[in-house]
This record gives sequence, C-alpha cells and structure tokens, in this order.
Amino acid sequence: AQSVSQHNHHVILSEAASLELGCNYSYGGTVNLFWYVQYPGQHLQLLLKYFSGDPLVKGIKGFEAEFIKSKFSFNLRKPSVQWSDTAEYFCAVNAQGAGSYQLTFGKGTKLSVIP
Amino acid sequence: DADVTQTPRNRITKTGKRIMLECSQTKGHDRMYWYRQDPGLGLRLIYYSFDVKDINKGEISDGYSVSRQAQAKFSLSLESAIPNQTALYFCATGTAMNEKLFFGSGTQLSVL
Repeated sequence: AQSVSQHNHHVILSEAASLELGCNYSYGGTVNLFWYVQYPGQHLQLLLKYFSGDPLVKGIKGFEAEFIKSKFSFNLRKPSVQWSDTAEYFCAVNAQGAGSYQLTFGKGTKLSVIP
Repeated sequence: DADVTQTPRNRITKTGKRIMLECSQTKGHDRMYWYRQDPGLGLRLIYYSFDVKDINKGEISDGYSVSRQAQAKFSLSLESAIPNQTALYFCATGTAMNEKLFFGSGTQLSVL
C-alpha cells in the first residue's frame, strides 16, 4: 500500500513570499498525484493534478507542482502568496492499476499568510 | 444547489447512540466515498462504493457501516457512537478514473 508524507505541519509566510510545500509518496508503480486545498470552514477542492506528460503541472490561482519520479516527490509551489491562500493543503496519491481504490491523502499542511 | 449534499451539518450525540450521516449527489458519479478528518491526521478513508452493489472497507472501517441505497445516495452509520469518533466527516464522489473528487461540505460530529 502506498503512503504519503507531507513534511510541514504548519507554514507561516508573509504576503509576497514564495511557497514550497513538500510531498513525498511511497509506491513502486505508476501513480496519479493531486493537491487539494481546504479553505477555512470549507470542503476540499482540487488544486491541481498530475496523470502523465509534462511533470510540471499548473493549477488554479497561480499554483504549480512538479513531479520528480526519481525522488517520489510532488512539491507544490507558488512564487508569491496572498493572504487569501491561507488554507490547509493536502497531497494525495492514487496508485494506478492497483485493482481497487487506493487514493491516499497526506496529513495536510496548514498555510498561514500574514498580511 | 450543491452537487454533493451532506446532512446534517452538525450533530452532537451521546456515547452508545446510533447515528446516521447521509450523503446525496447530483453529479451522476458511480463512485462515492466516506472520509473522516481529524486535526493533524488528514483525511482517512472509512468506506467506499464503486456502484450500488459494490461496498468496500477503507482504512478505518471499524465501528462504521454504510448503505448505498441508490447511485445518488450513500449513508454512513455509527452503530454505537464513541467519543473517539468525534470528527469532521466528508462524503465525496468521483469517476472511474478518479480524476477528481467532489466533496460535500462535511458533517461535524461530536460524541459526548
């Protein structure tokens, strides 16, 4: 079974700072990768996803993520954060061809952006 | 109207009570899921269903049961609630490719 590790529990940044949230997974086969965001008091929404092709994926609101297969990583980045990016971010991995549903979420990283 | 609707939004109950959380969707998706969210633990899968006749246990199914009454409805039951089942519960739907999950607004359950 796969697992997902998010390195930071809570990240605090000032507006305009650059963001990188780490995500590593453990699974030997082909994976689909996702980042979901949960704004305060709301449900999870898809931020971006990687299935195949260009390993640099662009999502909504200026976010992007890079899949590095050799490092089993799918880090989330944004060049300049805004106060409205304050939220909790979840990395998720879906193992392809596993024969059953295996979408696994990381424990989440809370991002607090200070105006 | 929301695509994935959960009821109730909030529920406070006592230890030993039977509780049912309901989820309905208008997305037309075959796949439905129940997750619980706990601070610092992220989302953990309780049960999932790929169609009306297909029910599968997830990571933490003990103490829970589900019923897929129709393609659009998937309910979660706590037969005898205990305090450590206090959590935020989310229902989600998805397609066969799992390209994207659509989440409901959640049910905050408190077991006293």
